[in-house]
Amino acid sequence: EPEVTQTPSHQVTQMGQEVILRCVPISNHLYFYWYRQILGQKVEFLVSFYNNEISEKSEIFDDQFSVERPDGSNFTLKIRSTKLEDSAMYFCATLLRDSNEQFFGPGTRLTVL
Amino acid sequence: AQRVTQPEKLLSVFKGAPVELKCNYSYSGSPELFWYVQYSRQRLQLLLRHISRESIKGFTADLNKGETSFHLKKPFAQEEDSAMYYCALRPDSNYQLIWGAGTKLIIKP
Repeated sequence: EPEVTQTPSHQVTQMGQEVILRCVPISNHLYFYWYRQILGQKVEFLVSFYNNEISEKSEIFDDQFSVERPDGSNFTLKIRSTKLEDSAMYFCATLLRDSNEQFFGPGTRLTVL
Repeated sequence: AQRVTQPEKLLSVFKGAPVELKCNYSYSGSPELFWYVQYSRQRLQLLLRHISRESIKGFTADLNKGETSFHLKKPFAQEEDSAMYYCALRPDSNYQLIWGAGTKLIIKP
């Protein structure tokens, strides 16, 4: 069964550094999402992406964040200058156009020191 | 405001006992409601959604619009049901999910 994959599984970085989190969606899916979950808190929506552009974003998704699908395969989340409070699990999810089920990747644990 | 509330952070029951995980939502439109489950060291996966009205792994959930609830129930809990359970809402105008805080379900032998 096809799955969403994410790399790396764990990323440790220094405050102020840029990080890129990668997601490989299920091949025929058209909608892509990033969520994050700070330890002990609820899952929060960050951004959705469709047809090569952002379709929705939350208040969390400020100018420090960006997403792109550079090669038509990977779906990336970039944080330009990480802050301590960016430490969280970041989940990618993808959605088939005619389905309501979002399929989740295993997550990337980001630790900002 | 759109909100999903799961009042119990932790629920512990004995094997064979009934289980009910509570979920209440706040949304003025016609949402879709989902239950996602995350077993230990596994990814989030869809358990069930209200539009399909099906039973998965013995779990059912009925959308009660009057009480704005979507409680998850199972008549006889099994040890393999131990996991984190998240209730989520999809507003009718888009595809993002709004999440509850999650309930950790522990089934005692």
